[in-house]
Amino acid sequence: DAGITQSPRYKITETGRQVTLMCHQTWSHSYMFWYRQDLGHGLRLIYYSAAADITDKGEVPDGYVVSRSKTENFPLTLESATRSQTSVYFCATSSGLHTDTQYFGPGTRLTVL
Amino acid sequence: QQPVQSPQAVILREGEDAVINCSSSKALYSVHWYRQKHGEAPVFLMILLKGGEQKGHDKISASFNEKKQQSSLYLTASQLSYSGTYFCGTQSPYNNAGNMLTFGGGTRLMVKP
Repeated sequence: DAGITQSPRYKITETGRQVTLMCHQTWSHSYMFWYRQDLGHGLRLIYYSAAADITDKGEVPDGYVVSRSKTENFPLTLESATRSQTSVYFCATSSGLHTDTQYFGPGTRLTVL
Repeated sequence: QQPVQSPQAVILREGEDAVINCSSSKALYSVHWYRQKHGEAPVFLMILLKGGEQKGHDKISASFNEKKQQSSLYLTASQLSYSGTYFCGTQSPYNNAGNMLTFGGGTRLMVKP
């Protein structure tokens, strides 16, 4: 059981390019989340999704686009990458039950040159 | 608003105890604790749902004071494997769908032999 996977694990790109980070889960969890983690800022929520075709903004959504056509996939796209988007990106999932929590994927380290 | 964690960093010798605090300015529905090792994803430790609830996990336990909007993580007889950054994630009673969490800035714990 793979659980939650992210790809690629490492990515180097240039300013202005479009980049898509993938997140895939095998648990059929309703909720999926994208976070970025930077030194000094902890984990900040970019976007989240309550179900297929339902997405909403988090704390830092500017410069990012998400979609969720299938329950198991939640891609994050940087339409025109900037250096300030250099970060580690984590995807997380949750069943939504009040006794449950969020489970994190292994992360993608993105560098924008 | 982000919960505040204290201390920001702590260094221990093997066998010593530590307490990490998480404080919120808003009412809380639950508190979730995670540990993250360098270069890895945050790993779930425990969730506290009720005011005054205390939970244990091996030699790591936690308490949750709903009235004070605070939670504390207790690490007893620390081991080298306890090293990492500890995050609390807080859940609001007004937006608890999908286990939405707001994370603190983290506490870096280093255990030395």
